[in-house]
Amino acid sequence: GQQVMQIPRYQHVQEGEDFTTYCNSSTTLSNIQWYKQRPGGHPVFLIQLVKSGEVKKQKRLTFQFGEAKKNSSLHITATQTTDVGTYFCAGTSGTYKYIFGTGTRLKVLA
Amino acid sequence: NAGVTQTPKFQVLKTGQSMTLQCAQDMNHEYMSWYRQDPGMGLRLIHYSVGAGITDQGEVPNGYNVSRSTTEDFPLRLLSAAPSQTSVYFCASSPARTRLRDEQFFGPGTRLTVL
Repeated sequence: GQQVMQIPRYQHVQEGEDFTTYCNSSTTLSNIQWYKQRPGGHPVFLIQLVKSGEVKKQKRLTFQFGEAKKNSSLHITATQTTDVGTYFCAGTSGTYKYIFGTGTRLKVLA
Repeated sequence: NAGVTQTPKFQVLKTGQSMTLQCAQDMNHEYMSWYRQDPGMGLRLIHYSVGAGITDQGEVPNGYNVSRSTTEDFPLRLLSAAPSQTSVYFCASSPARTRLRDEQFFGPGTRLTVL
């Protein structure tokens, strides 16, 4: 079945450093979503990418969808302590079944 | 709007007991789903529904039943609880206006422990 892997599993950065998490699917995706989950909280939607090669920005966050629509990345510039949490990608291959990645837990050291 | 609500927040069961996790949304969303999240892992889809009267299985449906008699409610039933079902359960909903291309709104979760 469809699998979605994320790397790295964990990342510790100094405040102000950049951070990137990568998401790779075993199958071609119709769209991909990114979520953030704070410790003890629930996932909160960040963004959705639909088009091949699409790039979207939200302030310090940059999201990319690969040309083959099998991978995606989230890049945070100049991390802040408020960026702490686990970042998940979630994709679907054209059904209503969203498959979540394993997540990347980000810790930001002040 | 209250958004997506889940009850209870915490539950402890003994092996073999049954129970229902409640989920409700007041946003008139068509799509609702149940996920489980185990420590250090992502969310795995248990069951989902694209509208009242329509449900389907996700990745890990065994041991769980769902029904969708109204647009607002999507309860998850554990038939005979097992320790392997110890997890945090999240319910989510989505407008599904444009088929899949809508964000999912998550409830606060139910933390379930099966002894």
